[in-house]
Amino acid sequence: EIVLTQSPATLSLSPGERATLSCRASQSVSSYLAWYQQKPGQAPRLLIYDTSNRATGIPARFSGSGSGTDFTLTISSLEPEDFAVYYCQQRHNWPYTWTFGQGTKVEIK
Amino acid sequence: QVQLVESGGGLVKPGGSLRLSCAASGFTFSDYDLSWIRQAPGKGLEWVSYISSGSSYRNYADSVKGRFTISRDNAKNSLYLQMNSLRAEDTAVYYCARVRAERFDYWGQGTLVTVSS
Repeated sequence: EIVLTQSPATLSLSPGERATLSCRASQSVSSYLAWYQQKPGQAPRLLIYDTSNRATGIPARFSGSGSGTDFTLTISSLEPEDFAVYYCQQRHNWPYTWTFGQGTKVEIK
Repeated sequence: QVQLVESGGGLVKPGGSLRLSCAASGFTFSDYDLSWIRQAPGKGLEWVSYISSGSSYRNYADSVKGRFTISRDNAKNSLYLQMNSLRAEDTAVYYCARVRAERFDYWGQGTLVTVSS
């Protein structure tokens, strides 16, 4: 089973700053890595899929990169609405199972 | 627009059963695979179960295998999760989600299941 480890657990930043979130896999994964944003009391929302593709309606300040075992979600300039928890996720090929990282909380400094 | 609405959550005693439902609209339900994902209070996300568009393939997380059963009714645009032999550690918000390739592109708002005596 592939384990996804996100770091840091908490990121304290100010609006306008750049956020860099890491997701490391225990073994090499395909490019099928996704990122989600979750705000308190809400369902997760898909941000990035296939490592670097933005989902519908996601602002350009969100970008994803990486390959192999190391992946990054970057928020170029934090807006007030971006303070939330972010999860990475990958799918294991047949039989399909899915794994999430433990999450990174981006909080207001 | 795509909508997924879960229902059926509630308080149940350990060892009890519960059936969750997810009503879908805004897309051709029979074209898409679906999953259940849960989130224990204050914790992260855990994938629970998957079902293919025609119900041919189903899979479960080890933590629920043998206790939970996923099903769907394409004529009713509905997804289900039958949960038996419930344990305290099954307490969570349960989300249904549409599967697109490797990702979950739409999620419901969730339904809370509490297992407690």
